Order: sequence, then structure tokens, then C-alpha cells
Amino acid sequence: DVKVTQSSRYLVKRTGEKVFLECVQDMDHENMFWYRQDPGLGLRLIYFSYDVKMKEKGDIPEGYSVSREKKERFSLILESASTNQTSMYLCASRPVGPGINQPQHFGDGTRLSIL
Amino acid sequence: AQKITQTQPGMFVQEKEAVTLDCTYDTSDPSYGLFWYKQPSSGEMIFLIYQGSYDQQNATEGRYSLNFQKARKSANLVISASQLGDSAMYFCAMRKDTNAGKSTFGDGTTLTVKP
Repeated sequence: DVKVTQSSRYLVKRTGEKVFLECVQDMDHENMFWYRQDPGLGLRLIYFSYDVKMKEKGDIPEGYSVSREKKERFSLILESASTNQTSMYLCASRPVGPGINQPQHFGDGTRLSIL
Repeated sequence: AQKITQTQPGMFVQEKEAVTLDCTYDTSDPSYGLFWYKQPSSGEMIFLIYQGSYDQQNATEGRYSLNFQKARKSANLVISASQLGDSAMYFCAMRKDTNAGKSTFGDGTTLTVKP
């Protein structure tokens, strides 16, 4: 079974702090994703990565950056945390091809509170 | 641009009955995939079922089936013989046919199964 592990289930930080959310997958998947989930807004893509050191902005990248130095690890960085970044953050991974029927595999999520 | 619409924020169903969760989508791409995920209150996202745009038959996986009507751009999830453990949030998602294609998610439907 694919395992996607997020470093924390719950995290509390203060405004202005630099926050790191870590995600590790164990199945050699090329694609990795960071989403935030807010009530009534579904999942919104922050960033995704299709290979080591490759990244692409999603729908809401402002205030975030990412790092992928190794294939198995994809980090989300909040450069200067603000209260409007309080949310549930989900990491996912997915293999590349053939076809498009491969689902994403998700971690358990990190509930981040910015005070 | 792709868009997924789930018009039912919340649904109730009696245990052992069937329930249909609606999903409509909008895309100009000829080749795409449709996915349903389940998110229990614990937070993890679980892949349920997949339908490809060129698949001739509706997808089925155990108690889950997908009522795919391509001309109407709908991909409704049908859960038969509902169980208490089916109480969760359900997300419909779509991805176009590129290996690094991003997925677009709907806002989700919260299903409550009543004993």
C-alpha cells in the first residue's frame, strides 16, 4: 500500500513565523501535491511538483513556497504565517502514466492554526 | 478551465438504502478522468472509484457505482445499501489527460447515514 506521511496532524504557530509542513511518500511517485481545505471551498491546489526540483504554481500559491530536493519528500513553506492561513493542509502523490486512471494518494492532513 | 460542481452540501440517507451524490463537470478537453474520494471525519482522503471519458460502461466498485452521462456532463456516485460507516464527506474530482495534469475538486457533499 502507498503511504503518504505528513509530519504533523496538528500544528499551532504564531503570525510572522516561518512554518514548514513536510510530506514523505514511499512509492517512488513522480507527482506530489499540496492542497488546502476550507469548509465550503473544497480542496484548492497550492503547488505541485512533477519531478525533483520541479514545481508549478496551483490556484492559490500566494504566501507559500515549496521545496522538492528528493523524490520522496515535498515540503510546503509558509514564509511569514498569517491568520488567514489557518486551515487543513493535505499532501498527495500520484505516479505518472500510463493513462490517467491513477488516483492521488493522500496523507492524513495537517490542521494548522495560526494565532 | 475545468470546473466541478457538487450541488448538495449535505445529504441524509437511511441505513440500508441507496443514495446518489451529484457531480457535474465542465471541460473542453476530449479526454479526462473522473474520480470520487471519501473523507471520513478523521481527515484522510480515500479513493473510491474512477471513470474515464472514453469508457463505454459505468464504473463499479463493490457498493459504489458511477452513473456517467457524458452528454449531460454528469458523474453521479451511487452508494447502494448504505452503512453507518459511509457517513463522510465525498468529493468529485476531474483530471485531464496529461501525465502532470492537475486535478480539480468539487466543494464536497457531506453524507449522513441514519440508523
